[in-house]
Amino acid sequence: AQSVTQPDIHITVSEGASLELRCNYSYGATPYLFWYVQSPGQGLQLLLKYFSGDTLVQGIKGFEAEFKRSQSSFNLRKPSVHWSDAAEYFCAVAGGYQKVTFGTGTKLQVIP
Amino acid sequence: EAGVAQSPRYKIIEKRQSVAFWCNPISGHATLYWYQQILGQGPKLLIQFQNNGVVDDSQLPKDRFSAERLKGVDSTLKIQPAKLEDSAVYLCASSTRPGHDVEAFFGQGTRLTVV
Repeated sequence: AQSVTQPDIHITVSEGASLELRCNYSYGATPYLFWYVQSPGQGLQLLLKYFSGDTLVQGIKGFEAEFKRSQSSFNLRKPSVHWSDAAEYFCAVAGGYQKVTFGTGTKLQVIP
Repeated sequence: EAGVAQSPRYKIIEKRQSVAFWCNPISGHATLYWYQQILGQGPKLLIQFQNNGVVDDSQLPKDRFSAERLKGVDSTLKIQPAKLEDSAVYLCASSTRPGHDVEAFFGQGTRLTVV
């Protein structure tokens, strides 16, 4: 069965600092991988996705993620965080015909 | 382009009462999803429709939850009777077709509190 682990429940960074959110997945083959963002009171918005090809994926809002098969990881990065990036971030995995499985999320707090 | 519309935004009910949520997907989107997001957890798929047919309802507690999409457009999710553990945000999403290569667009959700 597929699964996703987001080891950090809560992360605090200073505005302008770099950000890395961790995501580890479990799936037998090459999965579909996603990062979503959820602002308070909002639905989920897709930041980026990986299906195949270049393992470094560019997304919206200046985010990128790197697929590392050897580490079963798909970490999300941003070089300089803005106060508006404060939200909850979800990593998700899907394989073949299986439904999407979401991680438990990482809440990002940005301090001035 | 209008997004996925959900109503109501908030609902408080007593346990054993019934409740219904409504979702209007993006126009032309054939695939519709209902997710349950319990506080501190990621969303969990309850049911997936393709037009007016059910594709996957394996995680829908069918003894109390039901959903329909009669005309293949908007959808209703019902809980009857509600339990305390049903307190969650219920998210509706839609996409043009099934498949993980197709982006699903989410509504703002309905926050249900069962007391």
